[in-house]
Amino acid sequence: GAGVSQSPRYKVAKRGQDVALRCDPISGHVSLFWYQQALGQGPEFLTYFQNEAQLDKSGLPSDRFFAERPEGSVSTLKIQRTQQEDSAVYLCASSLTRAAGGPYEQYFGPGTRLTVT
Amino acid sequence: AQSVTQPDIHITVSEGASLELRCNYSYGATPYLFWYVQSPGQGLQLLLKYFSGDTLVQGIKGFEAEFKRSQSSFNLRKPSVHWSDAAEYFCAVGGNYGNKLVFGAGTILRVKS
Repeated sequence: GAGVSQSPRYKVAKRGQDVALRCDPISGHVSLFWYQQALGQGPEFLTYFQNEAQLDKSGLPSDRFFAERPEGSVSTLKIQRTQQEDSAVYLCASSLTRAAGGPYEQYFGPGTRLTVT
Repeated sequence: AQSVTQPDIHITVSEGASLELRCNYSYGATPYLFWYVQSPGQGLQLLLKYFSGDTLVQGIKGFEAEFKRSQSSFNLRKPSVHWSDAAEYFCAVGGNYGNKLVFGAGTILRVKS
């Protein structure tokens, strides 16, 4: 079946511009995560949704970062007034829900490479 | 706080040789452990996971990993490396349902023929 898809794959923005990054999770996956991966680093958690509810946004680096998932499927990560330090790969992941709690596996999309000039 | 350490930034092995990538974690509760692989320009692909039970877990592409609670380690192994294994490998730790993954900085594997 189809995996997690992200668009655009590459985005170049001038400093100060706003950008919107899209994530289409695997159909039926309730949980959705965003991660930021700086060059030469491992991914770092940004935010987490369960359906349309944003349950954890502790990783968002500033109030310029905003994420939404209004209908519980597609999610958008928006960055306002981009800065050079925002240059990174933004990864989206989705996972199934286990009704009784417990561990899960996250499936990742190919990422969006954002370059701020 | 949760953390993952991958001590080796780069590793080079000859094709056909064995491989071990190290991972140490710090986690205050029962850890759930993962290894992912990332090829250039690609997303992360899950190689294997440890949730509970047998501490030696098998994954895809001939990889295995062993969970050692006493050493807080989850090292990845492969008996014979293929040129196509060249990629970056990430170890990650997570908790219960819905929790985030914490990743190590990654180990870049180079395979020489």
